[in-house]
Amino acid sequence: GAVVSQHPSRVICKSGTSVKIECRSLDFQATTMFWYRQFPKQSLMLMATSNEGSKATYEQGVEKDKFLINHASLTLSTLTVTSAHPEDSSFYICSVDPGQWHEQYFGPGTRLTVT
Amino acid sequence: EDQVTQSPEALRLQEGESSSLNCSYTVSGLRGLFWYRQDPGKGPEFLFTLYSAGEEKEKERLKATLTKKESFLHITAPKPEDSATYLCAVSGSSNTGKLIFGQGTTLQVKP
Repeated sequence: GAVVSQHPSRVICKSGTSVKIECRSLDFQATTMFWYRQFPKQSLMLMATSNEGSKATYEQGVEKDKFLINHASLTLSTLTVTSAHPEDSSFYICSVDPGQWHEQYFGPGTRLTVT
Repeated sequence: EDQVTQSPEALRLQEGESSSLNCSYTVSGLRGLFWYRQDPGKGPEFLFTLYSAGEEKEKERLKATLTKKESFLHITAPKPEDSATYLCAVSGSSNTGKLIFGQGTTLQVKP
């Protein structure tokens, strides 16, 4: 499998501010990473596919100007929630795809609370 | 449209009481069906990948099977530490590597 870390694990921010979440692939170089959001008692919803060196691909209904994704290196992708609002409070999880068997390995997640 | 439906939504078992979780799917060109375990407040943990009908995989008390329309996750003699949410996901040939997740089955095993 692959080992993925996320930072921070929890963050509380005030409405209107921006917050950055980091996703790191620790044991292999990931050209593709995925960002998911999970609301309480619900399943994972894909937000975007992060591609190293190019623009991210966003899912329908996800605002790309609000959720900025940067995949500047083969081991790091960042998700910045801009002008956060209470409805953005959620559990954000990233994953990597080693590319051989189509399976994804997930980070531990980041709990975002917007007050 | 690719779709995954899991049942039941919740399952309560006594320790040692075996059962099965169901994952029904529709997908164009199945590239893989995946089972994950998710504990509260954590990211999903990879369990199995199944690629073709008839395939089976086992890990400790868990066994995953696959047909052309559904997959089962069999839990034999479960223990309280098996309590978690089990997620099923598929990847299809039209999805460029994306996973489509079901809603999950939350399993509680009582001692």
